[in-house]
Amino acid sequence: EPEVTQTPSHQVTQMGQEVILRCVPISNHLYFYWYRQILGQKVEFLVSFYNNEISEKSEIFDDQFSVERPDGSNFTLKIRSTKLEDSAMYFCASSSDRGRFYEQYFGPGTRLTVT
Amino acid sequence: GENVEQHPSTLSVQEGDSAVIKCTYSDSASNYFPWYKQELGKGPQLIIDIRSNVGEKKDQRIAVTLNKTAKHFSLHITETQPEDSAVYFCAASIRGSQGNLIFGKGTKLSVKP
Repeated sequence: EPEVTQTPSHQVTQMGQEVILRCVPISNHLYFYWYRQILGQKVEFLVSFYNNEISEKSEIFDDQFSVERPDGSNFTLKIRSTKLEDSAMYFCASSSDRGRFYEQYFGPGTRLTVT
Repeated sequence: GENVEQHPSTLSVQEGDSAVIKCTYSDSASNYFPWYKQELGKGPQLIIDIRSNVGEKKDQRIAVTLNKTAKHFSLHITETQPEDSAVYFCAASIRGSQGNLIFGKGTKLSVKP
């Protein structure tokens, strides 16, 4: 069964460093998303991406964040200068734009720890 | 913006009993309501969803009901099994299944054998 994959599973970085979280969406999907979950809190939407551009973003997704689809398979989230409060679980999701089912399928997540 | 509240935060049931998790939403424009199950160390997995033009949907032991007037929706699991133990999240979207999902805080369900 096709699935969304994410690497790394755990990333530890120092405050102020740049990190790139990587996702490989399901191959025939065209909508891509990033969500995050701070420990013990809700899953929060960050950004959605379609047709090589951001279609929607939340107030969390400020200038420190960027997304890119560098090739036909990867979807990345970059945090330019990490802060302690960026520590969270980051989930990538993807969905199709055709067929009967448009559900968002989530990856296993990357745990980001900023020290 | 949309806000989703979920209750209870923890739920413990005996194997074979039913479990009910309830969510309320604030934006009457919301039209898509998925439920996700999250097991330890894994990402959320969609288990069932319902759209605003339907009042109820069932898939084997799982059912979801939607009351648009009251702006609440519920997940019902019958004949619970130990493997149903997980954290369950409800969510809502105003742009269908491809819009951003606003999640509830989650319910930790424990099914005791």
